[in-house]
Amino acid sequence: GQSLEQPSEVTAVEGAIVQINCTYQTSGFYGLSWYQQHDGGAPTFLSYNALDGLEETGRFSSFLSRSDSYGYLLLQELQMKDSASYFCAPYSGGYQKVTFGTGTKLQVIP
Amino acid sequence: IAGITQAPTSQILAAGRRMTLRCTQDMRHNAMYWYRQDLGLGLRLIHYSNTAGTTGKGEVPDGYSVSRANTDDFPLTLASAVPSQTSVYFCASSDPGTGNEQFFGPGTRLTVL
Repeated sequence: GQSLEQPSEVTAVEGAIVQINCTYQTSGFYGLSWYQQHDGGAPTFLSYNALDGLEETGRFSSFLSRSDSYGYLLLQELQMKDSASYFCAPYSGGYQKVTFGTGTKLQVIP
Repeated sequence: IAGITQAPTSQILAAGRRMTLRCTQDMRHNAMYWYRQDLGLGLRLIHYSNTAGTTGKGEVPDGYSVSRANTDDFPLTLASAVPSQTSVYFCASSDPGTGNEQFFGPGTRLTVL
């Protein structure tokens, strides 16, 4: 079967670093995507890891370990605008094989 | 237009009424999707379409239907709305072969009373 686990909520201080973990179980795994969604807004694509290791995009980095079925999103130099929900989304190929979980709500405090 | 548009932005609907949510994209993406988002349940796929003329069922298709007459439009119809269909509905699209990166519309907030 398929399963996806992320912490439901995380709180971090402005300027700090926060890591949002994701463990997944899915058949035919291709890679792991991350999406950001602000309250009242639409999800927006952040990153995709097809291979093991760290991918860096500005203040955000995403990591994947295929052997551990584990990934994380790392946000550095946190800003208030980073307060949002973050979804990891395992991708199993094809057009319909993306699974979104319930996401992690990040609150950045001063 | 640029990207994906959805209409209406919000709607209050009486139970039993028929409703069509509209979705249009101008990115020439082959694949389009409909999701519903409910508090505590995340995003769940309702229906999808790989290309014009084809559709498929997602995780929660009951009570919904879709059509894909052309590349740009992907309407979602609730034939007879029920209160459990109260939700925020997102339409999304993706490039061929890159289903991992989906572009989302602004959403439609639907309340069924």
